[in-house]
Amino acid sequence: DVKVTQSSRYLVKRTGEKVFLECVQDMDHENMFWYRQDPGLGLRLIYFSYDVKMKEKGDIPEGYSVSREKKERFSLILESASTNQTSMYLCASSRPGEGQPQHFGDGTRLSIL
Amino acid sequence: EDQVTQSPEALRLQEGESSSLNCSYTVSGLRGLFWYRQDPGKGPEFLFTLYSAGEEKEKERLKATLTKKESFLHITAPKPEDSATYLCAGSSNFGNEKLTFGTGTRLTIIP
Repeated sequence: DVKVTQSSRYLVKRTGEKVFLECVQDMDHENMFWYRQDPGLGLRLIYFSYDVKMKEKGDIPEGYSVSREKKERFSLILESASTNQTSMYLCASSRPGEGQPQHFGDGTRLSIL
Repeated sequence: EDQVTQSPEALRLQEGESSSLNCSYTVSGLRGLFWYRQDPGKGPEFLFTLYSAGEEKEKERLKATLTKKESFLHITAPKPEDSATYLCAGSSNFGNEKLTFGTGTRLTIIP
């Protein structure tokens, strides 16, 4: 079974802090994704990566950056956290190619005070 | 712009009462239509991929179907453990393997 592990289930930070969310997958998947999930808005893609050191902006990249130094690890960085970044953050991974499903971690619920 | 719309937002059924969830989509050059199940406090769990109109897939009490404009998730004789939020997502020919998600249907099965 694919396992996607997110380092924290719950995280509380203050406005202006730099925040790191970590994600590790154990299936040697090329693609990795970061989403945020908010009530009524569904899952929205922040960034994704299809190879080590490669990244592409998703639909809502503002205020975020990412890092992928190793194939199995994809980090999401909030450069200067703001209250509107309070959300559930979900990481996913997949093989490349048509119809390949994305496999998700259990999420990090982040609160910015 | 690619869009995926799910209805209803919430559905309450008695145990054993069959029904269907709807997912309508406008996705350029649809490459795949995905269904996921999400339990509270968990990430989405993959259920099915459908590729072309007319295709059907089944898993236990769930059957997913696809037409040119929408997909249905049919739930036959549901049990309380089928209670979850069901998400639909589409991938586009032009989307670099990105998925566009709907906002989900929250399904509750009452014993």
